[in-house]
This record gives sequence, structure tokens and C-alpha cells, in this order.
Amino acid sequence: NAGVTQTPKFQVLKTGQSMTLQCAQDMNHEYMSWYRQDPGMGLRLIHYSVGAGITDQGEVPNGYNVSRSTTEDFPLRLLSAAPSQTSVYFCASRTGSANVLTFGAGSRLTVL
Amino acid sequence: KQEVTQIPAALSVPEGENLVLNCSFTDSAIYNLQWFRQDPGKGLTSLLLIQSSQREQTSGRLNASLDKSSGRSTLYIAASQPGDSATYLCAVPTFSGSARQLTFGSGTQLTVLP
Repeated sequence: NAGVTQTPKFQVLKTGQSMTLQCAQDMNHEYMSWYRQDPGMGLRLIHYSVGAGITDQGEVPNGYNVSRSTTEDFPLRLLSAAPSQTSVYFCASRTGSANVLTFGAGSRLTVL
Repeated sequence: KQEVTQIPAALSVPEGENLVLNCSFTDSAIYNLQWFRQDPGKGLTSLLLIQSSQREQTSGRLNASLDKSSGRSTLYIAASQPGDSATYLCAVPTFSGSARQLTFGSGTQLTVLP
């Protein structure tokens, strides 16, 4: 049982480059979400999805796009990376009714 | 808007000491509160979930309490061990958009010295 898998674990980008952070879960969870974690600021919600074909914005959505074409996958796209997007990104999922989120191991992104 | 605060940001204690981590929240209309553990370079692992109707929840050496009226929760760790060294975060659910979300505190980084 793999749980929530994030790739890549580390990535360095130059300002203006684009990239996609991948997230996959094998637990048939309806709800998936992306958080960013910055020093001293806890985790902040970027985007989330309550099911395939449905996405919505969280607290800090600017500069990020998401899609949910399947139940298993929820990629996070940075269209034009900025240094302010340097952070650790976490994907998390749960069933619709559950209280507890299952987190991936995180992806550390540095934008130069 | 719900705000969650954890003080102190960092704590260092000798092995064997009992300790308390604090979490406060501004909106007392919550229906549960969760404590998570985060090891360096890893994701978050749920430790305890305490329902609003409960005052305490226990798991091994961990005990979480909740006082909704004062907007506070504490995580008590008994007989601390070096393996307890990690960042501990608390989170409360909030309803935003089409789903229930979690609002996190910024965490307390705990170091237990051997």
C-alpha cells in the first residue's frame, strides 16, 4: 500500500520556468489537496479537489494550477516560477467523510 | 477567520522529562482538533484526534486535552525520549468553499537531548 506518492522530492528551477509536481494516491480517496509549508507559517492550503473533475482554490492559489482528471492523480502546476514559490509542498488525501488526512513525504522546491 | 497559534516555536528538554506543548485557536466553534508529528524531510503523521465533545484523548505516552471555551489544546508527552524529537503541529477543521479544510498552527520543534 503506497499511500500518497509525491514526485520529485527535490527540484531547483530558475525564475520563469514551469514545472509540475506530481501526486498520486492508491486509496481511492475522493478528497485531495496541496499545501505549502514555509518557515514559521505552518501549512497553507493552495488548491483542493473533492473528486475527479472538481477543483477549488485554497488560501494561497495564485501562481498555481491544478486539474483532477482521475481519482488517483492531482498534479500541481507552476506556470512561471517565482522565488516566492520556494517552499516545501505537501499533497494530502482523505475519504470524503474522514477526519484524518494522509500526507505525502513532500517536495522541496527552490526557485532561483 | 480561524487562526491557530503554537508557542513556543522550539523547545529543548533532557530525556525523561514530562512536557507540554500548547495550541490556541481563535474561533471556538470547532468540532475536533488534531495533533500531528512531522519528522525532518517527511510528511505529517496524525497522532491524536480529539472531538469537541471530549476533554482528553490518550495514545501511549501522549495525552491531548481540549478546552473549547478558552480556545486551547495541550499535548502532554510523558517521559520524553530522543525519538520524540520532531515538529508537532496542531490543526482544526474549517469549512471553506466546497469542503472541510484544516487550518494548521506553525508547529513546535521539539528536541529531546539524551
